Amino acid sequence: AQSVTQLDSQVPVFEEAPVELRCNYSSSVSVYLFWYVQYPNQGLQLLLKYLSGSTLVKGINGFEAEFNKSQTSFHLRKPSVHISDTAEYFCAVSWDQTGANNLFFGTGTRLTVIP
Amino acid sequence: KAGVTQTPRYLIKTRGQQVTLSCSPISGHRSVSWYQQTPGQGLQFLFEYFSETQRNKGNFPGRFSGRQFSNSRSEMNVSTLELGDSALYLCASSLGLADYSYEQYFGPGTRLTVT
Repeated sequence: AQSVTQLDSQVPVFEEAPVELRCNYSSSVSVYLFWYVQYPNQGLQLLLKYLSGSTLVKGINGFEAEFNKSQTSFHLRKPSVHISDTAEYFCAVSWDQTGANNLFFGTGTRLTVIP
Repeated sequence: KAGVTQTPRYLIKTRGQQVTLSCSPISGHRSVSWYQQTPGQGLQFLFEYFSETQRNKGNFPGRFSGRQFSNSRSEMNVSTLELGDSALYLCASSLGLADYSYEQYFGPGTRLTVT
């Protein structure tokens, strides 16, 4: 069965420290991978995506993620976090490569940046 | 360019009633997807419409339905509401088949409370 696992439900980190949010998915067949961020009372905003090519993907707000096919992982990283990064982060996977949009989401990781 | 708009933003309904939610995609986008977000189940894909046709459907009962109009606006309907239908309903739009960037833009959501 297709599944997306975000191993940490909450991650507290001090301001200017690095952070890694973990994401694993169930199948090693071709996938498209995404990270979204959700601020309180708002919809989701795309941070970055992996469709093909370089396994290191850079996104907005200084975030990057690395696709690891053998580990079926797509972990999100930022070298130095800011207070404004406090939000919920969702990893999402699409196993459909026809162009259709049906994403499977992880349960989310709440990142709290401590001043 | 205006973003994805959803109306209403908040809604309170009683068990057994039905409800209709509306989503206006970004101008030029032809694909609209709907997601349900709850604390217990997380983000789950409901269905996707492209050019007035349902292209994909998630694992939800038939009480959940949708449609798309010729101007790409979409509505979703939930009949015979249950307490468990209380959720944030998110709509996302994208260019669709012609665009393989898989970038979905989310609206702010409609918060439905069933009492």
